[in-house]
Amino acid sequence: NAGVTQTPKFQVLKTGQSMTLQCAQDMNHEYMSWYRQDPGMGLRLIHYSVGAGITDQGEVPNGYNVSRSTTEDFPLRLLSAAPSQTSVYFCASSRQGDTQYFGPGTRLTVL
Amino acid sequence: KQEVTQIPAALSVPEGENLVLNCSFTDSAIYNLQWFRQDPGKGLTSLLLIQSSQREQTSGRLNASLDKSSGRSTLYIAASQPGDSATYLCAVRRVNFNKFYFGSGTKLNVKP
Repeated sequence: NAGVTQTPKFQVLKTGQSMTLQCAQDMNHEYMSWYRQDPGMGLRLIHYSVGAGITDQGEVPNGYNVSRSTTEDFPLRLLSAAPSQTSVYFCASSRQGDTQYFGPGTRLTVL
Repeated sequence: KQEVTQIPAALSVPEGENLVLNCSFTDSAIYNLQWFRQDPGKGLTSLLLIQSSQREQTSGRLNASLDKSSGRSTLYIAASQPGDSATYLCAVRRVNFNKFYFGSGTKLNVKP
């Protein structure tokens, strides 16, 4: 059981570039979410999904897109990277109303 | 919007001391509350989950309590050890919302 996996672990982008952060879970969890963690601000919810084909916005969705075509995968797309998107990104999954399990994170720097 | 606050932001204690970490939230209509531990450069590890109908949960040296009416939760760590040094975060899920709101964490340092 790998749990929640994220790739890549580190990424450096130039302003305006696009990329996709990958997240996968093998626990058959219906709920998946993306957070960003910035110093002194805790974790903020970007987007979440309650099942395949269903996504919704969190607190800070601007500049990010998601889709959920399978139960296992929940990729996060940065459309046109900006320095304000420099952060650590975490993916999490859970059963409805149950414990959240987090991936190891992706450290993103936008120059 | 749910606001979650953790005070203090940092705490340093000698080994063996019992300690309490605090988490407060503004909207008492919560579904559950979860405590996490985060080591530097790592992801979050779940410690305890308290459903809204529960008053407390225990795991080993950890005990978490929940008082919805006052909008507070505490994480009690007994007989602290240097290995407990980490950042501790709480997160609340609101009723009828699939959104979790995090506090900014308490950074704990347990000195040998």
